[in-house]
Amino acid sequence: NAGVTQTPKFQVLKTGQSMTLQCAQDMNHNSMYWYRQDPGMGLRLIYYSASEGTTDKGEVPNGYNVSRLNKREFSLRLESAAPSQTSVYFCASITASLAAGYTFGSGTRLTVV
Amino acid sequence: KQEVTQIPAALSVPEGENLVLNCSFTDSAIYNLQWFRQDPGKGLTSLLLIQSSQREQTSGRLNASLDKSSGRSTLYIAASQPGDSATYLCAVRTTSGTYKYIFGTGTRLKVLA
Repeated sequence: NAGVTQTPKFQVLKTGQSMTLQCAQDMNHNSMYWYRQDPGMGLRLIYYSASEGTTDKGEVPNGYNVSRLNKREFSLRLESAAPSQTSVYFCASITASLAAGYTFGSGTRLTVV
Repeated sequence: KQEVTQIPAALSVPEGENLVLNCSFTDSAIYNLQWFRQDPGKGLTSLLLIQSSQREQTSGRLNASLDKSSGRSTLYIAASQPGDSATYLCAVRTTSGTYKYIFGTGTRLKVLA
């Protein structure tokens, strides 16, 4: 049972380059989330998808776009990477039950130079 | 707006000591609270999920308590071991919006052999 899978695990980009971070879950979860984690700032929500076909902005959406491709997959795109987007990115998913908790992927460590 | 605080930010204890990590939140309207462990350079592993109607949850040497009315949760670790060294994060699931989790910035624990 893979849970939440994120690819790639590491990436170095030059300023202005674009890339897509992939996230897939095999637990039939309804909702999926993208967070970034920076030292001293905890996890901040970038975008989320409450259900297949819907996406909404979180706390820090600027510079990012997302696609909920199907129920399993939720991708995060950086159209023109900036050094301020150097961070560790985590994807999480959760069932529709309000009693449920998050399951996290292992993260993508992104460096923009 | 829900805010989650974890104090202290860092803690060093000798092996074998019992310890308590604190988490406080400003809005008691939550569905549940989740404690996570994060090892350096790794993802988040769920330790305990405690529902708003519960007072505590236990798993092995870990015990989490919840006092929703006062906006506090504690994670008790019994007989600490060097392998417990990690960052511990708490997150509350809000009852507003799409019920997403709000994270604290974590307590970095070091258990000395």
